[in-house]
Amino acid sequence: ILNVEQSPQSLHVQEGDSTNFTCSFPSSNFYALHWYRWETAKSPEALFVMTLNGDEKKKGRISATLNTKEGYSYLYIKGSQPEDSATYLCASGDQAGTALIFGKGTTLSVSS
Amino acid sequence: ETGVTQSPTHLIKTRGQQVTLRCSSQSGHNTVSWYQQALGQGPQFIFQYYREEENGRGNFPPRFSGLQFPNYSSELNVNALELDDSALYLCASSLGRQVSYEQYFGPGTRLTVT
Repeated sequence: ILNVEQSPQSLHVQEGDSTNFTCSFPSSNFYALHWYRWETAKSPEALFVMTLNGDEKKKGRISATLNTKEGYSYLYIKGSQPEDSATYLCASGDQAGTALIFGKGTTLSVSS
Repeated sequence: ETGVTQSPTHLIKTRGQQVTLRCSSQSGHNTVSWYQQALGQGPQFIFQYYREEENGRGNFPPRFSGLQFPNYSSELNVNALELDDSALYLCASSLGRQVSYEQYFGPGTRLTVT
């Protein structure tokens, strides 16, 4: 059974702060790592899908890195804004490469 | 917002009843996956349908069943509802069945079992 762990569980920062979250996953039989941004009452929004060791992806102020050998990914937010407040979920592919195994998420709150 | 829709938005059922949840996939997507999110947990994989056939199943009992139609929309059926089935049910569609494809989620159906 795969376990995907995320830390911290929650985070409160001031507007303009930069922050980062961690996602750890089993490194054996790796297929893909997904990051989602989920605002209350909305659909989870796909941020990144990463498949290769060393992958780095960027979308605006948000970026992510992937280390499949040691089984971790970092999500970075530069210059946090109140609209970045959301729960950030990561998910790794299961042993069959079919299903996503999710962590419990990191809830970010950004104060202006 | 994604092009994935789910109905109904909310639902209240009594223990022992049966429920059907519906999901319309994004145009061009042939794969639908269903997830259950209980309070305080991450979404858990229920099953996946690829071109109208079940393509993988998580650790859920047989009273959780599904269908995928020729237009690739999907249903999740739960029989003999239990209190622990109270959760948010999410569906996600994708271009293919592998996890390397981006998955597009709907907003979910909130099921409460009393």
